[in-house]
Amino acid sequence: EIVLTQSPGTLSLSPGERATLSCRASQSVSSSYLAWYQQKPGQAPRLLIYGASSRATGIPDRFSGSGSGTDFTLTISRLEPEDFAVYYCQQYGSSHTFGQGTKLEIK
Amino acid sequence: EVQLVQSGAEVKKPGESLKISCKGSGYSFTSYWIGWVRQMPGKGLEWMGIIYPGDSDTRYSPSFQGQVTISADKSISTAYLQWSSLKASDTAMYYCARAGVLWFGERTFDAFDIWGQGTMVTVSS
Repeated sequence: EIVLTQSPGTLSLSPGERATLSCRASQSVSSSYLAWYQQKPGQAPRLLIYGASSRATGIPDRFSGSGSGTDFTLTISRLEPEDFAVYYCQQYGSSHTFGQGTKLEIK
Repeated sequence: EVQLVQSGAEVKKPGESLKISCKGSGYSFTSYWIGWVRQMPGKGLEWMGIIYPGDSDTRYSPSFQGQVTISADKSISTAYLQWSSLKASDTAMYYCARAGVLWFGERTFDAFDIWGQGTMVTVSS
């Protein structure tokens, strides 16, 4: 089973700043089948990025994904107040597994 | 509108059985996978398993194999997650989510693009 490790566990930034979240896989993720989700308190997760770098429908272009193999990154170019949430990566090339999450909090 | 609507919150006692549901609408229910995801209080997301309602092809995470049963009734566009004997450690929010079909040597599944609102299951004596 592929294990995904996200870092940092918590990221403290201010609105307007750039956020960089990392997701590292224990083995190569097939065909970049890597997704990112955002979850706000009391809400279901929302798909942001699939295929490592494709934005899901309706996702603002300040969200971008990159990477391949075992190292992937979610970048939020300029943080808006509504972006503070928990972010999860997920691989779906071999079963489905989630990372443990990164909490993005307001500094 | 494409949506998944889950059944309401449940409060059960240890040892009891339970079946929760997830009804899809606004799309071809038999052409997408439906997966189940657990989120224990204050914790992260855990993939439990997934079913293709078109032919009931079902896959389980090794962590949940034998602990739960996933099924679907395509005639009413509804997927189910059931337990035969609940434990206190089953207390969690359970989400269903839709995944498209990918072909990677065999039929497999895409990311979860549509999520249900979640069903809270509380197991307490």
